[in-house]
Amino acid sequence: GQQLNQSPQSMFIQEGEDVSMNCTSSSIFNTWLWYKQDPGEGPVLLIALYKAGELTSNGRLTAQFGITRKDSFLNISASIPSDVGIYFCAGQVQGETSGSRLTFGEGTQLTVNP
Amino acid sequence: DAGITQSPRYKITETGRQVTLMCHQTWSHSYMFWYRQDLGHGLRLIYYSAAADITDKGEVPDGYVVSRSKTENFPLTLESATRSQTSVYFCACKGSGGWGEQFFGPGTRLTVL
Repeated sequence: GQQLNQSPQSMFIQEGEDVSMNCTSSSIFNTWLWYKQDPGEGPVLLIALYKAGELTSNGRLTAQFGITRKDSFLNISASIPSDVGIYFCAGQVQGETSGSRLTFGEGTQLTVNP
Repeated sequence: DAGITQSPRYKITETGRQVTLMCHQTWSHSYMFWYRQDLGHGLRLIYYSAAADITDKGEVPDGYVVSRSKTENFPLTLESATRSQTSVYFCACKGSGGWGEQFFGPGTRLTVL
């Protein structure tokens, strides 16, 4: 099936630092989504991107839909301890019409040291 | 409270037993999905449903059965559980409009001994 390459797999940072993670694919996507998963919970949608080149912010989070439509990045500014969790990218492949299926990256585990 | 719920949250069973995981949504969204989450594999789609009585296989459907007689419910059954089905299972749903946003339940942690 389709694959999303998400990097890095894990990050260990100090509180206050900025964070950047990204997803790439060999396929063209028409939607990119970023989710966060807290321990013991389901993923929660953070940001949705719909157009190539689109840059969207949600508080300290900023995400961009790559101009080639094959990549996306998520930045977190001034990290705080509650940013800890697993961040997933997900995308809907261009031409995917059956069931609105999403392809997920393997996640980035973020640890923030106070 | 509106949303998507899963039950049970935790389940331990034995190899060969039948297990059913429940998923219920209060939004009446058209699409519902079942994923499993395993270390190193992220979220993998098991089955999905576009509407009541319409279901289709995802990436890893073997060993699982689904049904959707009502829009709000989407149970997942392991007909004869195996150790390889030990995982965390997530249900998700999505409206017929929109551009792909799926909303997830809290998950069921299943252990097969």
